[in-house]
Amino acid sequence: DGGITQSPKYLFRKEGQNVTLSCEQNLNHDAMYWYRQDPGQGLRLIYYSQIVNDFQKGDIAEGYSVSREKKESFPLTVTSAQKNPTAFYLCASSPTGGVRETQYFGPGTRLLVL
Amino acid sequence: AQSVAQPEDQVNVAEGNPLTVKCTYSVSGNPYLFWYVQYPNRGLQFLLKYITGDNLVKGSYGFEAEFNKSQTSFHLKKPSALVSDSALYFCAVRYSSASKIIFGSGTRLSIRP
Repeated sequence: DGGITQSPKYLFRKEGQNVTLSCEQNLNHDAMYWYRQDPGQGLRLIYYSQIVNDFQKGDIAEGYSVSREKKESFPLTVTSAQKNPTAFYLCASSPTGGVRETQYFGPGTRLLVL
Repeated sequence: AQSVAQPEDQVNVAEGNPLTVKCTYSVSGNPYLFWYVQYPNRGLQFLLKYITGDNLVKGSYGFEAEFNKSQTSFHLKKPSALVSDSALYFCAVRYSSASKIIFGSGTRLSIRP
């Protein structure tokens, strides 16, 4: 998990509320990713960014938003439009977006709905 | 379609015995294959990857995997299991033509003392 930090470790969301998950990396990586993990389903890609000020939707982007204003930061906002947000959220980064690159993961944030 | 499969939800092995966690991938261009391990409530840790060259890849913590093109497999192996190897293991594939990595559903490995 070294080099990538995620906060908070646990996050509680009330009905109709937007919440933001933080992801910071000090690895000088260009590419960053957000995944959602549900039991028995592996990881699903939400959004990814290969360079500052640019990002693309993944497989399950609806109800989520991101920004990439700085190289080291890639926050994820879970909006009220996401009806089933309870999951474990993982941020990752890689040196570039190249297909041979290894992705390195943060420790994760568990989001729970009150 | 581009995909990866882990056919076993759970693998149980006695400590000291060899272990194998299976992974197969679909044929769709050149695959780049990865193995990750996840401990409870933690992020994924990279174990090893196959890009090209030698089919036998050695990784962290004594793990290795063999790329088998004819069987489209990339099984993870270790000669002698430790109780501390108990965790959730993910196989992943990325194709030269694709922009994203695809993860398997995971295999829970349980090593009994």
